[in-house]
Amino acid sequence: DTGVSQNPRHKITKRGQNVTFRCDPISEHNRLYWYRQTLGQGPEFLTYFQNEAQLEKSRLLSDRFSAERPKGSFSTLEIQRTEQGDSAMYLCASSLDLTETQYFGPGTRLLVL
Amino acid sequence: GEDVEQSLFLSVREGDSSVINCTYTDSSSTYLYWYKQEPGAGLQLLTYIFSNMDMKQDQRLTVLLNKKDKHLSLRIADTQTGDSAIYFCAEIQPGNQFYFGTGTSLTVIP
Repeated sequence: DTGVSQNPRHKITKRGQNVTFRCDPISEHNRLYWYRQTLGQGPEFLTYFQNEAQLEKSRLLSDRFSAERPKGSFSTLEIQRTEQGDSAMYLCASSLDLTETQYFGPGTRLLVL
Repeated sequence: GEDVEQSLFLSVREGDSSVINCTYTDSSSTYLYWYKQEPGAGLQLLTYIFSNMDMKQDQRLTVLLNKKDKHLSLRIADTQTGDSAIYFCAEIQPGNQFYFGTGTSLTVIP
């Protein structure tokens, strides 16, 4: 396993469309995190999973956003009815239970036109 | 509090040392981290320090932690052009949420 992977790397969509991103964590990592990063800012926490359970959600995560990790391995982040303000880099990270160091994927860059 | 603060820009000449500073907010943070982000790329973990340590050295990188002042710094010795990137410090706050600073853009002048 070479690290956290994310697909797609880039996504351009029209306002109002739904988009789904996928994250594959490092295989032995139990925790998986989603972040959003806009230009000139640090990453902002969105949500995280311990195995398949979603344990924490940021208030940034509106009801148009939903994340799943059905089998405790890969995760998906869906954005419904996209808005131009959703344009950002969406980063995924994973970590082991007992160590808190998070390893990041390359991100999915979303542009909403 | 959620604000992790960093200065936005730093320029150094190749071969000099760079010092990137960070002020964090949560005195109960167990680990503090430095990440590097190159243009268009994800975040690369550079190093981290456990909160009961004052200093950690890893090759050209030296991390200093002043818990009293909640101040973290990253020193890069013999800075190279390949070190040009944005550097983020991060702390873990209760709820296992990472909070990142706004990033310091390091420019290395040949």
